[in-house]
Amino acid sequence: NAGVTQTPKFQVLKTGQSMTLQCAQDMNHEYMSWYRQDPGMGLRLIHYSVGAGITDQGEVPNGYNVSRSTTEDFPLRLLSAAPSQTSVYFCASRLTSGSLSYEQYFGPGTRLTVT
Amino acid sequence: KQEVTQIPAALSVPEGENLVLNCSFTDSAIYNLQWFRQDPGKGLTSLLLIQSSQREQTSGRLNASLDKSSGRSTLYIAASQPGDSATYLCAVHNAGNMLTFGGGTRLMVKP
Repeated sequence: NAGVTQTPKFQVLKTGQSMTLQCAQDMNHEYMSWYRQDPGMGLRLIHYSVGAGITDQGEVPNGYNVSRSTTEDFPLRLLSAAPSQTSVYFCASRLTSGSLSYEQYFGPGTRLTVT
Repeated sequence: KQEVTQIPAALSVPEGENLVLNCSFTDSAIYNLQWFRQDPGKGLTSLLLIQSSQREQTSGRLNASLDKSSGRSTLYIAASQPGDSATYLCAVHNAGNMLTFGGGTRLMVKP
């Protein structure tokens, strides 16, 4: 298993540009999510999905869009990049079963700089 | 709103010491608590997961405990090694499919 993979590893954007961060997992996990990690702010949830066709907002969703057309993929779209979106972005996935949940697995991250 | 606090924020110890990292949370209605390790510039690696009905979990030199009623968890590292140097994060799984993370403890183990 490759686990959770993310591309690209690094990206530099100009203000106003759009782009998509890719995330894929090969563990057949129902739940996938996106976090951003900023110094002094910790990890914050952007969006999540409990299965194909189902997405929901997390703590800091503004400026980001997601969709989940397959179990494996969960891309994150930046619609119009802003310097405040400079951050490290992590994708994560886990199994879910009723009220119990399982270990969350994280991808290696995408380091994004918006100038 | 759930808040997770980790103390200390940074810790430096000589090799071989046993050490305890602390995690506290404000809302005891959690599904589970997970400890992660993060090396500089890398992703998060899961260390231990404790379900809300469990009191502790062990993996090698690591032991994590959970006291849900008091909103506390500890991560015990036995016989620390320089390779243990990293940032350790705890996260609680709340209702609503959210993980809430603490700010982390940055550990340095000196040879």
